[in-house]
Amino acid sequence: LAKTTQPISMDSYEGQEVNITCSHNNIATNDYITWYQQFPSQGPRFIIQGYKTKVTNEVASLFIPADRKSSTLSLPRVSLSDTAVYYCLVGTVSSGNTPLVFGKGTRLSVIA
Amino acid sequence: EADIYQTPRYLVIGTGKKITLECSQTMGHDKMYWYQQDPGMELHLIHYSYGVNSTEKGDLSSESTVSRIRTEHFPLTLESARPSHTSQYLCASSEPGTNTEAFFGQGTRLTVV
Repeated sequence: LAKTTQPISMDSYEGQEVNITCSHNNIATNDYITWYQQFPSQGPRFIIQGYKTKVTNEVASLFIPADRKSSTLSLPRVSLSDTAVYYCLVGTVSSGNTPLVFGKGTRLSVIA
Repeated sequence: EADIYQTPRYLVIGTGKKITLECSQTMGHDKMYWYQQDPGMELHLIHYSYGVNSTEKGDLSSESTVSRIRTEHFPLTLESARPSHTSQYLCASSEPGTNTEAFFGQGTRLTVV
């Protein structure tokens, strides 16, 4: 997995859009970008994955610029239930045996 | 809903006891992982497996051991539990690839008294 850097923590009010940026300067050609969400006392849950440009699903959007050296997870109109730790991981998806290692993630606190 | 199961969910045990935490998945995944996490702290990889008869240690030194005799089963054993082993243990599985979607179990919260 490529090294990633993301903010340790963020605060947001309910109803706001939250953008969490992850830097991955050493991303390889075959690498994808994946984001996980972890609630207290639970295991991480896959949110979204992308390779380039923009990916959107029912939970979030993922924006990836042309150079792919960073990515931004966008959570629209957050609620208190979005309070969690968000992890950014970068690596290949079809091959490779490097184990899945999570960094410190970004601790998002949503305030009423 | 992910088909990966951990038992027990909660365990309180005395110092010196031998314990085995169970993890099973029905997705046929070759890759399986064990992570250790204290409340509010980082998720640490302690063991992983690429398939049957393959086990590797993770980036966090652990006194536990694992085995992988069957694809679906990846148990973790502590020969002699100590209070320092008190933590949450999370099992996960995925298909091949370094960044393939991983599915996590519900976790086992272990307390050693």
